[in-house]
Amino acid sequence: DTEVTQTPKHLVMGMTNKKSLKCEQHMGHRAMYWYKQKAKKPPELMFVYSYEKLSINESVPSRFSPECPNSSLLNLHLHALQPEDSALYLCASSQQGTSLYEQYFGPGTRLTVT
Amino acid sequence: EDKVVQSPLSLVVHEGDTVTLNCSYEVTNFRSLLWYKQEKKAPTFLFMLTSSGIEKKSGRLSSILDKKELSSILNITATQTGDSAIYLCAVGVTSGTYKYIFGTGTRLKVLA
Repeated sequence: DTEVTQTPKHLVMGMTNKKSLKCEQHMGHRAMYWYKQKAKKPPELMFVYSYEKLSINESVPSRFSPECPNSSLLNLHLHALQPEDSALYLCASSQQGTSLYEQYFGPGTRLTVT
Repeated sequence: EDKVVQSPLSLVVHEGDTVTLNCSYEVTNFRSLLWYKQEKKAPTFLFMLTSSGIEKKSGRLSSILDKKELSSILNITATQTGDSAIYLCAVGVTSGTYKYIFGTGTRLKVLA
């Protein structure tokens, strides 16, 4: 089983709202990732968690706040977003965060900021 | 700066044709190269390559890494309309921390 699940599938939010994206995997993977993907562009790395600790933050604005409550769950808390933050947000996981393991993606959350 | 480049950017072929997609990289501390297929949603994992010269194969798809040339190719034989997608290459690197750097992708369209 190589399933990564994400909720919600779609999210529309105003610029003053607070919302959260959720990601879950039950493959025993110890590295989890958030990516942002704009139309016709490749995924851009936002955050990497390795063994529930934040190991990479690619200079992401503080209006995006990641959280890894346990080894199976990854959240992305959103607050005061801008319309240009509208994108597909992808969660991924791999066995470990050493770039030597296959990385599997969830189906994504399509976010629209109005 | 680490860079991953894919070519061609887009390709239109007819069913039954064979295609070769290229991925070249200039990175510090290469660890692995991954190929993905992306249709309308999330990228689907195809292959991971770490050793030069060893072909990975799955049905009509195959891929090989050339560490000397800093590149990889993805071959698709007897293409079908269902192969129409964006094919993404991602290179795993370590520069203090570990991450994957994506190329811009090749958009493949297979006509019936």
